[in-house]
Amino acid sequence: QAAVTQEPSVTVSAGATVTLTCASSTGAVTSGHYPYWLQQKPGQAPRTLISDIGNKYSWTPARFSGSLLGGKAALTLSGAQTEDEAEYYCLLSYSGVWVFGGGTKLTVL
Amino acid sequence: QVQLQESGPGLVKPSQTLSLTCTVSGGSISSGLYFWSWIRQHPGKGLEWIGYISYSGSTYYNPSLKSRVTISLDTSKNQFSLKLSSVTAADTAVYYCGRGAVTPRFDLWGQGTLVTVSS
Repeated sequence: QAAVTQEPSVTVSAGATVTLTCASSTGAVTSGHYPYWLQQKPGQAPRTLISDIGNKYSWTPARFSGSLLGGKAALTLSGAQTEDEAEYYCLLSYSGVWVFGGGTKLTVL
Repeated sequence: QVQLQESGPGLVKPSQTLSLTCTVSGGSISSGLYFWSWIRQHPGKGLEWIGYISYSGSTYYNPSLKSRVTISLDTSKNQFSLKLSSVTAADTAVYYCGRGAVTPRFDLWGQGTLVTVSS
């Protein structure tokens, strides 16, 4: 089974911009992987933030955006807020089999 | 708005079958082109996709669990369910149910329910 790799932890200053990435063991992440990003705060259920590379949900704050960057899926947070401190998971499709990344713990200082 | 709620035994014995139900409120499970999902999270670990069932009843499972998993719909009760057979301690996790569509395939999630496998 393919593996999806994310940075284990990232720290950002409040108000700064940060980009989290998601890599595939099979090569470049493409639109065919339909990348998703989910946010999970401690003790809470995950919340889907981004679908299909860069589509936002009605509840997704405008400061979050998704893209493909250098062969990886990317989640950019522009103007980090303390409330954005959470675990972020990438999710990729491999011909209909979905694989989560290990998650990135984002700390906002 | 649509909400999902997982329910089922919090404790299951090894080798038995784990059975969970997800009740959908605020909308009909049989209206629309929806996909109904299950994912899980081992204690202190990341998320794992278990599988989903489509509006037409087609099922899609994680290959690593496929031999033990069954997801089904009960439109009369507005519920869908997960059955995982021959459980071991490695199946101890928080189980989440979710909803999606043809696109996006994932959007809403339930609050999750902890299932412990222990004798």
